[in-house]
Amino acid sequence: AQSVTQLDSQVPVFEEAPVELRCNYSSSVSVYLFWYVQYPNQGLQLLLKYLSGSTLVKGINGFEAEFNKSQTSFHLRKPSVHISDTAEYFCAVSDTGGFKTIFGAGTRLFVKA
Amino acid sequence: EPEVTQTPSHQVTQMGQEVILRCVPISNHLYFYWYRQILGQKVEFLVSFYNNEISEKSEIFDDQFSVERPDGSNFTLKIRSTKLEDSAMYFCAVTPLTGGRGTDTQYFGPGTRLTVL
Repeated sequence: AQSVTQLDSQVPVFEEAPVELRCNYSSSVSVYLFWYVQYPNQGLQLLLKYLSGSTLVKGINGFEAEFNKSQTSFHLRKPSVHISDTAEYFCAVSDTGGFKTIFGAGTRLFVKA
Repeated sequence: EPEVTQTPSHQVTQMGQEVILRCVPISNHLYFYWYRQILGQKVEFLVSFYNNEISEKSEIFDDQFSVERPDGSNFTLKIRSTKLEDSAMYFCAVTPLTGGRGTDTQYFGPGTRLTVL
C-alpha cells in the first residue's frame, strides 16, 4: 500500500518569493507521482507528473518538482510565486498498475502581496 | 487534456434519501473513478471501474454505494440511503484511452457538492 505525507498544512509566502511544498511518499512498489492544484470551489487540476526518466519534472504555471528515490520525496517548487497561485496543492501517488490514486492531506499556499 | 463534466454541481438531500451523481466524459476513456473530499480533508479514493466492472474499491465504498455505466456514456455513483457523513465533494476521474492502451494519469471533473440534511 502507498501513503503520502505533505509536511506543511499551510505555507504563507510573499509575492515573487520562491516556494517549496514538501511531499514524501512510501511504497513497496514502483510508483507514479503527481501534483494537483485545487483553486477555491473548483476541481483538481493536474500540475505535473513523474512517471519515469528525468527526475526533474516541469509542469504548468512555472512549477517543477524533483523526484528523489533515496529520500522518497517529490517536492514541488516555484522560483517566483504570484497572487494567483493561492490554492490548495495535493501530492498524490499511484502504483504503476494505476487503479487508484492516493492523495496527501494537502498544503494550502497563501501568497501575500 | 480530457474534459469531464459532472452533474449536478450541487445536490441537497434529506438523510435516508437516494442520490445519483453523474459523470460525463467527453471522449473515449478506459478507466473511471470516484473520489470524495469531505470539507477541509484530503481527497479519498472510493472506487475504480473498468469494462463495466468494479476494479478496486476502498473500505468507504460499502453496500450503500454502487456504480454503473448504464448507457455507455454516463458513469454514475448511487448512494442508496444517504447519511449526514456522506456530505462531501464527489469527484469523478477518468484515465484516457490512447492508441488502444490506458494511460497513466487521471483527469478530474469539477465535482458535485453533496449536502445531506
